[in-house]
Amino acid sequence: GAGVSQSPSNKVTEKGKDVELRCDPISGHTALYWYRQRLGQGLEFLIYFQGNSAPDKSGLPSDRFSAERTGESVSTLTIQRTQQEDSAVYLCASSSPGQWTYEQYFGPGTRLTVT
Amino acid sequence: QQQVKQSPQSLIVQKGGISIINCAYENTAFDYFPWYQQFPGKGPALLIAIRPDVSEKKEGRFTISFNKSAKQFSLHIMDSQPGDSATYFCAASRVGGGGNKLTFGTGTQLKVEL
Repeated sequence: GAGVSQSPSNKVTEKGKDVELRCDPISGHTALYWYRQRLGQGLEFLIYFQGNSAPDKSGLPSDRFSAERTGESVSTLTIQRTQQEDSAVYLCASSSPGQWTYEQYFGPGTRLTVT
Repeated sequence: QQQVKQSPQSLIVQKGGISIINCAYENTAFDYFPWYQQFPGKGPALLIAIRPDVSEKKEGRFTISFNKSAKQFSLHIMDSQPGDSATYFCAASRVGGGGNKLTFGTGTQLKVEL
């Protein structure tokens, strides 16, 4: 079956521009997470969606970052007025709460480079 | 604040040897401890995970050892193979309630040499 997909796979943008990153979770997965992975670092939690509940935005680093999710499907992460420190791989993961393994399935990520 | 500390940063092991990666956490509310494996250009994939009600979990060549009192857990890869060469991340979270938000270690680059 299809896994988590993300687009674009690579994005190069100029400082100050806005970017949108897309995540298609595994069908039927109600939970969706965004993480950021800076070069040589571990993943940092950004935001979490669960069904129709209010998202947990506690990991967003600034108000330039926002995310939306339509129901239990696609999510978009938007970064406004990009800065060079935003350069990273942005990873999306989905899971199905209730699975005893609590496994999060990750997509391949979007590599964002801000020049 | 780094809540999960991982060591070593890199590791070279001979084929057939044992690879050991260690992690320590600070938040005593954590109750789920997974290890993820990541190959270049790919997203992390769950390798093995443990809950704090057991001190060890084994799946094939991979074993997690967990020490609740020391707030430490480790990954052991027995009979390491070149195909195990990847970056390994430990993580921790508190499941349930507000979601399973993972806090990751900084990763260990493992290279298994012939």
